[in-house]
Amino acid sequence: NFMLTQPHSVSESPGKAVNISCNRSSGNIVSSYVQWYQQRPGSAPTTVIYEDSRRPSGVPDRFSGSIDLSSNSASLTISGLKTEDEADYYCQSYDSTNVVFGGGTSLTVL
Amino acid sequence: QLQLQESGPGLVKPSKTLSLTCTVSGGSISGSRQYWGWIRQPPGRGLEWIGSMFYTGSTFYNPSLKSRVSISVDTSTNQFSLSLNSVTAADTAVYYCATVTGGPWNWFDPWGRGALVTVSS
Repeated sequence: NFMLTQPHSVSESPGKAVNISCNRSSGNIVSSYVQWYQQRPGSAPTTVIYEDSRRPSGVPDRFSGSIDLSSNSASLTISGLKTEDEADYYCQSYDSTNVVFGGGTSLTVL
Repeated sequence: QLQLQESGPGLVKPSKTLSLTCTVSGGSISGSRQYWGWIRQPPGRGLEWIGSMFYTGSTFYNPSLKSRVSISVDTSTNQFSLSLNSVTAADTAVYYCATVTGGPWNWFDPWGRGALVTVSS
């Protein structure tokens, strides 16, 4: 089995950009898709990126996803930060027997 | 547009069985190639996949929970259910049901609002 490691927290100012990493501990990052979910307090997660870099309809193009083979990681980039982006963000992937979520990153926009 | 809603007891005694139902609206549980899944989140902690199933009855479980979990479907009521036996305080969590697209473990969306289940005597 593998793990997905995310930074516990990140913070940035409104209007700036932030990058949240998701490192896969074993197995190739490109062997399965990576999804990113946003979770606001008291609410269920919603998808901001699916299948590495695709955005669901309704998600602004300020959200983008990418894969870095050299670090075996996925990244979520949020540009033009808004206070409404403040939330927890989880990456998620899978292998042939299990679904794995990252531990989550708390984003503060201040 | 699909909507999911969890229901079931909010309090379960230790060693008993936790049972939850997810009602699907806005589409048929057997009318697409989507899978149906359960995920949980202990208070203040991260997400953990419990399992997924197809409407035909094919099931896929988290290896760490496999010995205690069962997911079933009732196509006549457009519902699927979760059963987790021999519960302890560690099973206290918000339980979410979700649609799974692209196989039993690819993309979870949409999610239900979640149901808090507390394990306590």
